[in-house]
Amino acid sequence: DAKTTQPNSMESNEEEPVHLPCNHSTISGTDYIHWYRQLPSQGPEYVIHGLTSNVNNRMASLAIAEDRKSSTLILHRATLRDAAVYYCILRSQGGSEKLVFGKGTKLTVNP
Amino acid sequence: DARVTQTPRHKVTEMGQEVTMRCQPILGHNTVFWYRQTMMQGLELLAYFRNRAPLDDSGMPKDRFSAEMPDATLATLKIQPSEPRDSAVYFCASGLVNGGRAVKETQYFGPGTRLLVL
Repeated sequence: DAKTTQPNSMESNEEEPVHLPCNHSTISGTDYIHWYRQLPSQGPEYVIHGLTSNVNNRMASLAIAEDRKSSTLILHRATLRDAAVYYCILRSQGGSEKLVFGKGTKLTVNP
Repeated sequence: DARVTQTPRHKVTEMGQEVTMRCQPILGHNTVFWYRQTMMQGLELLAYFRNRAPLDDSGMPKDRFSAEMPDATLATLKIQPSEPRDSAVYFCASGLVNGGRAVKETQYFGPGTRLLVL
């Protein structure tokens, strides 16, 4: 599986937008970009995924660079409940369903 | 809301004892995963099943760990004998795969079993 690189930690203020970056310079053409997050003392939960185009859902937006070597998860208005570890994961279309988690980015949201 | 359930939520045991962790996947899901999370190693995949058959257990220590799916509604992970280094949070996740492709591109995780081996 191709590797992703994320900052270890980030901080944000409540009700401000948060941009969480992910680098994946070795991404292949069939790799989807997935984001999961893990709230304290809980299991990971799916946030969003995309292939080439930007994606929006009720939780977040995913902005994918034109060359696909990086992406950004956008939380439009951070709340205290968004404090979590965010994982950026590549999964190949038609490949194994298993998720390979890196260290992720620990997001702290300040009131 | 359909959820993955895991029991027990917490387990404290002594070295050498058998530990059994159970997982009930979301009804209708045909793929079940077992992950382990520690501070040092992070989240690692131990094994996963499709339609109750093991597909990959390469992440699992074979000498003491075993994973099974007695039926479509129950997955078990056993450690025998347990060791202090097995202390971790064990997560079960389920998903739906059809024809080799994920029908939904998500895995749904349970709340985990927090295991402490003394």
